[in-house]
Amino acid sequence: GNSVTQMEGPVTLSEEAFLTINCTYTATGYPSLFWYVQYPGEGLQLLLKATKADDKGSNKGFEATYRKETTSFHLEKGSVQVSDSAVYFCALSDLSTNAGKSTFGDGTTLTVKP
Amino acid sequence: DTAVSQTPKYLVTQMGNDKSIKCEQNLGHDTMYWYKQDSKKFLKIMFSYNNKELIINETVPNRFSPKSPDKAHLNLHINSLELGDSAVYFCASSQPGQGGSPLHFGNGTRLTVT
Repeated sequence: GNSVTQMEGPVTLSEEAFLTINCTYTATGYPSLFWYVQYPGEGLQLLLKATKADDKGSNKGFEATYRKETTSFHLEKGSVQVSDSAVYFCALSDLSTNAGKSTFGDGTTLTVKP
Repeated sequence: DTAVSQTPKYLVTQMGNDKSIKCEQNLGHDTMYWYKQDSKKFLKIMFSYNNKELIINETVPNRFSPKSPDKAHLNLHINSLELGDSAVYFCASSQPGQGGSPLHFGNGTRLTVT
């Protein structure tokens, strides 16, 4: 079956530090990959996505590249801000299996300190 | 103009009671979901409906019964509530069949069973 493994947290960084949250996946088909962000007290919202190998998703200074050879989709940001403090979820969706059900990683909590 | 709205936001009740959570989406999506998020932020899919038809039913106790009167609504009824049901429940929608169609989440219902 499909699975997503993401870096365990929590992660604590100082403002303007470089962020990497690792994500690797296992899928039987050709999945689309996503990063979602959850701010305190809110639902998850899409941060970025990539639908095929070598695609790069980007939004709000965050980037992730779909690497089929390493089955990875690592999230990066060059300079984090306090407002980036949130829980980040890596996910995949595979239309060829399970009616396109999304599979989520366990989430990584990021805290950015001033 | 909220895309996915669920009510109530908070629900505090005693063991053994029956409660319902309502969800509505105005995105025109065909598929709706219920997810459960525990205290460690782990997300677990419970149900998925496509155009009012149940397509995903994970191993959820039959005390949980989803109902979809139309494709814009998916409600969740819970009978005989137990302490372990305490969690945040998220409704979501998507338009599968399109490559890379992300989930759109509501802001969650925090259920506390005492």
